[in-house]
Amino acid sequence: AQSVTQLGSHVSVSEGALVLLRCNYSSSVPPYLFWYVQYPNQGLQLLLKYTSAATLVKGINGFEAEFKKSETSFHLTKPSAHMSDAAEYFCAVSDKNFNKFYFGSGTKLNVKP
Amino acid sequence: GAGVSQSPSNKVTEKGKDVELRCDPISGHTALYWYRQRLGQGLEFLIYFQGNSAPDKSGLPSDRFSAERTGESVSTLTIQRTQQEDSAVYLCASSSTSVGTDTQYFGPGTRLTVL
Repeated sequence: AQSVTQLGSHVSVSEGALVLLRCNYSSSVPPYLFWYVQYPNQGLQLLLKYTSAATLVKGINGFEAEFKKSETSFHLTKPSAHMSDAAEYFCAVSDKNFNKFYFGSGTKLNVKP
Repeated sequence: GAGVSQSPSNKVTEKGKDVELRCDPISGHTALYWYRQRLGQGLEFLIYFQGNSAPDKSGLPSDRFSAERTGESVSTLTIQRTQQEDSAVYLCASSSTSVGTDTQYFGPGTRLTVL
């Protein structure tokens, strides 16, 4: 079975500071990993995904995530936060054998001016 | 259509009543998912449809919950005899194939409040 843990339900950074949102997964088979973002009053949209190609994945809006098998992690980063990045971010895992996606509980990112 | 749509956007009901939530997936998408998002929690998988195959109902929390899908089009999620703990946002997503790598496109959700 798969599961996802997101450390920190709320993260607050200053504009221009590094964004680091943590995601650890549990999977008995090679996982596919995803980050989704939910802006206020909008639906979830895909930010980036890892599907067993390059371990460093670049997504939209300057975000990237690195798959580290040894640490079972897929942390999301952005070098410089922008006010428009304020949203809730969800990490998710699926595998090749199932068509279920297991989501973490989400991290709300607040960006201070 | 341009994206996944869901209706109604908000539903307030009394405990014990039945409710029906609708999802219109992106045209041509064979896979459709229903999730529940309780306040302050992550998405909880409910049910998955893939083409004409039998749906994966393993996430449905009780027999009060059921879902149908006609072919590769509209899906309805029905909750019978609603309880207060059913209050949540119900999200629908669709994707173009059954492969786990494919991107899911989410609808805006239906916010259900059970009084």
